[in-house]
Amino acid sequence: GAVVSQHPSRVICKSGTSVKIECRSLDFQATTMFWYRQFPKQSLMLMATSNEGSKATYEQGVEKDKFLINHASLTLSTLTVTSAHPEDSSFYICSAREWGEDGYTFGSGTRLTVV
Amino acid sequence: RKEVEQDPGPFNVPEGATVAFNCTYSNSASQSFFWYRQDCRKEPKLLMSVYSSGNEDGRFTAQLNRASQYISLLIRDSKLSDSATYLCVVTTYRDDKIIFGKGTRLHILP
Repeated sequence: GAVVSQHPSRVICKSGTSVKIECRSLDFQATTMFWYRQFPKQSLMLMATSNEGSKATYEQGVEKDKFLINHASLTLSTLTVTSAHPEDSSFYICSAREWGEDGYTFGSGTRLTVV
Repeated sequence: RKEVEQDPGPFNVPEGATVAFNCTYSNSASQSFFWYRQDCRKEPKLLMSVYSSGNEDGRFTAQLNRASQYISLLIRDSKLSDSATYLCVVTTYRDDKIIFGKGTRLHILP
Protein backbone atom coordinates (compact mmCIF):
# COMPACT_ATOMS: atom_id res chain seq x y z
CA GLY A 1 0.00 0.00 0.00
CA ALA A 2 0.86 3.65 -0.14
CA VAL A 3 3.53 4.86 2.23
CA VAL A 4 4.16 8.40 3.37
CA SER A 5 7.44 9.14 5.03
CA GLN A 6 7.67 12.07 7.41
CA HIS A 7 10.65 13.36 9.29
CA PRO A 8 11.93 14.29 11.68
CA SER A 9 9.79 12.30 14.06
CA ARG A 10 10.75 14.46 16.97
CA VAL A 11 12.39 17.84 17.24
CA ILE A 12 13.16 20.19 20.07
CA CYS A 13 14.07 23.72 19.15
CA LYS A 14 14.64 27.02 20.83
CA SER A 15 12.07 29.74 20.72
CA GLY A 16 12.57 32.00 17.72
CA THR A 17 14.16 29.41 15.47
CA SER A 18 12.64 27.75 12.42
CA VAL A 19 11.93 24.08 11.92
CA LYS A 20 11.38 22.26 8.65
CA ILE A 21 9.29 19.11 8.45
CA GLU A 22 9.37 16.93 5.35
CA CYS A 23 6.65 14.72 4.00
CA ARG A 24 7.40 12.33 1.15
CA SER A 25 5.14 10.00 -0.75
CA LEU A 26 7.00 6.80 -1.51
CA ASP A 27 6.28 5.00 -4.76
CA PHE A 28 3.39 7.25 -5.67
CA GLN A 29 2.82 10.77 -6.75
CA ALA A 30 0.82 13.13 -4.64
CA THR A 31 -0.34 16.34 -6.25
CA THR A 32 -2.05 17.19 -3.01
CA MET A 33 -0.86 16.69 0.51
CA PHE A 34 -2.49 17.79 3.73
CA TRP A 35 -0.90 19.15 6.85
CA TYR A 36 -2.53 18.69 10.25
CA ARG A 37 -1.77 19.70 13.77
CA GLN A 38 -2.90 17.82 16.82
CA PHE A 39 -2.75 19.18 20.34
CA PRO A 40 -2.91 16.74 23.27
CA LYS A 41 -6.24 15.00 23.64
CA GLN A 42 -7.65 16.84 20.65
CA SER A 43 -8.44 15.79 17.13
CA LEU A 44 -6.48 16.49 14.02
CA MET A 45 -6.99 20.00 12.74
CA LEU A 46 -6.34 20.70 9.11
CA MET A 47 -3.83 23.50 8.74
CA ALA A 48 -3.38 23.67 5.01
CA THR A 49 -3.65 21.84 1.74
CA SER A 50 -0.39 21.63 -0.14
CA ASN A 51 -0.66 21.70 -3.93
CA GLU A 52 2.22 20.71 -6.17
CA GLY A 53 3.38 23.62 -8.25
CA SER A 54 1.09 26.19 -6.72
CA LYS A 55 0.39 27.97 -3.49
CA ALA A 56 -0.92 26.14 -0.51
CA THR A 57 -4.44 26.72 0.71
CA TYR A 58 -4.54 27.63 4.36
CA GLU A 59 -7.40 27.11 6.77
CA GLN A 60 -8.89 30.02 8.57
CA GLY A 61 -6.78 31.11 11.49
CA VAL A 62 -3.57 29.54 10.22
CA GLU A 63 -0.88 32.10 9.50
CA LYS A 64 0.62 31.39 6.12
CA ASP A 65 3.69 33.49 6.84
CA LYS A 66 4.39 31.48 9.93
CA PHE A 67 3.72 28.05 8.49
CA LEU A 68 5.44 28.00 5.15
CA ILE A 69 4.50 25.18 2.85
CA ASN A 70 6.43 24.19 -0.21
CA HIS A 71 5.31 21.43 -2.56
CA ALA A 72 8.02 21.56 -5.16
CA SER A 73 7.68 18.05 -6.50
CA LEU A 74 5.06 15.35 -6.81
CA THR A 75 6.56 13.42 -3.93
CA LEU A 76 7.67 16.04 -1.46
CA SER A 77 5.95 18.68 0.63
CA THR A 78 7.62 20.61 3.39
CA LEU A 79 6.21 22.57 6.29
CA THR A 80 8.45 25.16 7.89
CA VAL A 81 7.45 26.56 11.24
CA THR A 82 9.11 29.95 11.31
CA SER A 83 10.05 31.81 14.46
CA ALA A 84 8.66 29.01 16.56
CA HIS A 85 7.18 29.73 19.96
CA PRO A 86 6.22 27.39 22.78
CA GLU A 87 2.57 27.55 21.76
CA ASP A 88 3.58 25.98 18.43
CA SER A 89 4.56 22.83 20.28
CA SER A 90 2.32 20.16 18.85
CA PHE A 91 2.11 16.99 16.82
CA TYR A 92 2.26 17.77 13.11
CA ILE A 93 1.12 15.14 10.62
CA CYS A 94 0.95 15.10 6.85
CA SER A 95 -1.18 12.90 4.66
CA ALA A 96 -1.60 12.08 1.01
CA ARG A 97 -3.81 9.90 -1.08
CA GLU A 98 -2.60 7.61 -3.81
CA TRP A 99 -4.81 7.74 -6.86
CA GLY A 100 -7.20 4.81 -6.88
CA GLU A 101 -6.57 3.89 -3.27
CA ASP A 102 -9.09 4.15 -0.51
CA GLY A 103 -8.44 6.55 2.29
CA TYR A 104 -5.49 8.70 3.12
CA THR A 105 -2.10 7.60 4.24
CA PHE A 106 -0.48 9.50 7.04
CA GLY A 107 3.09 10.19 7.80
CA SER A 108 4.27 9.06 11.22
CA GLY A 109 4.06 12.60 12.53
CA THR A 110 6.51 15.06 13.97
CA ARG A 111 6.40 15.98 17.61
CA LEU A 112 7.64 19.52 17.92
CA THR A 113 8.64 20.95 21.24
CA VAL A 114 9.65 24.59 21.41
CA VAL A 115 11.55 25.58 24.51
CA ARG B 1 -23.57 22.65 13.96
CA LYS B 2 -20.09 21.20 13.66
CA GLU B 3 -19.11 19.68 10.36
CA VAL B 4 -18.40 16.29 11.83
CA GLU B 5 -19.51 15.24 15.28
CA GLN B 6 -18.69 12.21 17.35
CA ASP B 7 -19.40 11.18 20.89
CA PRO B 8 -15.99 11.56 22.55
CA GLY B 9 -16.68 8.70 24.98
CA PRO B 10 -14.91 7.04 26.55
CA PHE B 11 -16.74 3.85 25.86
CA ASN B 12 -15.68 1.27 28.45
CA VAL B 13 -16.63 -2.12 27.09
CA PRO B 14 -15.84 -5.60 28.41
CA GLU B 15 -13.79 -7.82 26.20
CA GLY B 16 -15.93 -9.87 23.86
CA ALA B 17 -18.80 -7.42 23.79
CA THR B 18 -20.16 -5.59 20.79
CA VAL B 19 -19.82 -1.84 20.61
CA ALA B 20 -21.12 0.67 18.11
CA PHE B 21 -20.69 4.37 17.65
CA ASN B 22 -21.91 6.93 15.21
CA CYS B 23 -20.64 10.01 13.52
CA THR B 24 -22.85 12.72 12.06
CA TYR B 25 -21.88 15.13 9.33
CA SER B 26 -23.48 18.39 8.32
CA ASN B 27 -22.51 18.78 4.67
CA SER B 28 -24.94 16.88 2.48
CA ALA B 29 -22.47 17.17 -0.40
CA SER B 30 -19.93 15.02 1.41
CA GLN B 31 -18.62 12.32 -0.85
CA SER B 32 -16.34 9.92 0.93
CA PHE B 33 -16.35 8.56 4.42
CA PHE B 34 -13.77 6.69 6.42
CA TRP B 35 -13.06 5.36 9.86
CA TYR B 36 -9.53 5.77 11.16
CA ARG B 37 -7.99 4.37 14.26
CA GLN B 38 -5.49 6.35 16.27
CA ASP B 39 -3.43 4.92 19.08
CA CYS B 40 -2.04 7.21 21.73
CA ARG B 41 0.66 9.52 20.36
CA LYS B 42 0.65 7.80 16.99
CA GLU B 43 -0.58 8.78 13.55
CA PRO B 44 -4.07 7.75 12.42
CA LYS B 45 -4.34 4.58 10.39
CA LEU B 46 -7.13 3.76 8.00
CA LEU B 47 -9.48 1.20 9.48
CA MET B 48 -12.01 1.06 6.69
CA SER B 49 -13.82 3.05 4.09
CA VAL B 50 -17.55 3.42 4.38
CA TYR B 51 -19.65 2.61 1.35
CA SER B 52 -23.27 3.39 0.69
CA SER B 53 -24.12 -0.28 0.70
CA GLY B 54 -22.33 -0.84 3.98
CA ASN B 55 -19.24 -2.92 4.31
CA GLU B 56 -17.76 -5.46 6.62
CA ASP B 57 -14.19 -6.38 7.38
CA GLY B 58 -13.88 -9.18 9.86
CA ARG B 59 -15.29 -8.00 13.18
CA PHE B 60 -15.84 -4.48 11.89
CA THR B 61 -18.92 -3.25 10.08
CA ALA B 62 -19.40 0.25 8.71
CA GLN B 63 -22.65 1.76 7.57
CA LEU B 64 -23.58 4.98 5.84
CA ASN B 65 -26.96 6.64 6.13
CA ARG B 66 -27.07 9.52 3.69
CA ALA B 67 -30.64 10.48 4.49
CA SER B 68 -29.81 11.05 8.14
CA GLN B 69 -26.22 12.04 7.42
CA TYR B 70 -24.40 9.70 9.70
CA ILE B 71 -21.99 6.84 9.53
CA SER B 72 -21.56 4.10 12.05
CA LEU B 73 -18.94 1.62 13.14
CA LEU B 74 -19.78 -1.68 14.79
CA ILE B 75 -17.13 -3.81 16.45
CA ARG B 76 -18.07 -7.35 17.36
CA ASP B 77 -16.26 -9.65 19.76
CA SER B 78 -14.11 -6.78 20.95
CA LYS B 79 -10.48 -7.42 21.80
CA LEU B 80 -8.20 -5.64 24.21
CA SER B 81 -6.21 -4.48 21.18
CA ASP B 82 -9.25 -2.60 19.91
CA SER B 83 -8.67 0.03 22.58
CA ALA B 84 -7.94 3.23 20.69
CA THR B 85 -9.52 6.42 19.47
CA TYR B 86 -11.71 6.02 16.41
CA LEU B 87 -11.83 8.99 14.10
CA CYS B 88 -14.59 9.63 11.64
CA VAL B 89 -13.40 11.27 8.44
CA VAL B 90 -15.55 12.96 5.83
CA THR B 91 -14.37 14.43 2.57
CA THR B 92 -16.01 16.77 0.14
CA TYR B 93 -16.01 16.47 -3.62
CA ARG B 94 -12.58 16.00 -5.13
CA ASP B 95 -11.05 15.76 -1.70
CA ASP B 96 -10.63 19.46 -1.42
CA LYS B 97 -11.04 19.16 2.29
CA ILE B 98 -10.83 16.32 4.76
CA ILE B 99 -12.74 16.84 7.95
CA PHE B 100 -11.99 14.81 11.06
CA GLY B 101 -14.30 14.20 13.92
CA LYS B 102 -12.81 14.66 17.36
CA GLY B 103 -12.71 10.94 17.84
CA THR B 104 -14.37 8.42 20.09
CA ARG B 105 -12.22 6.81 22.75
CA LEU B 106 -12.77 3.13 23.25
CA HIS B 107 -11.43 1.18 26.20
CA ILE B 108 -11.82 -2.58 26.12
CA LEU B 109 -11.78 -3.96 29.64
CA PRO B 110 -10.35 -7.38 30.47
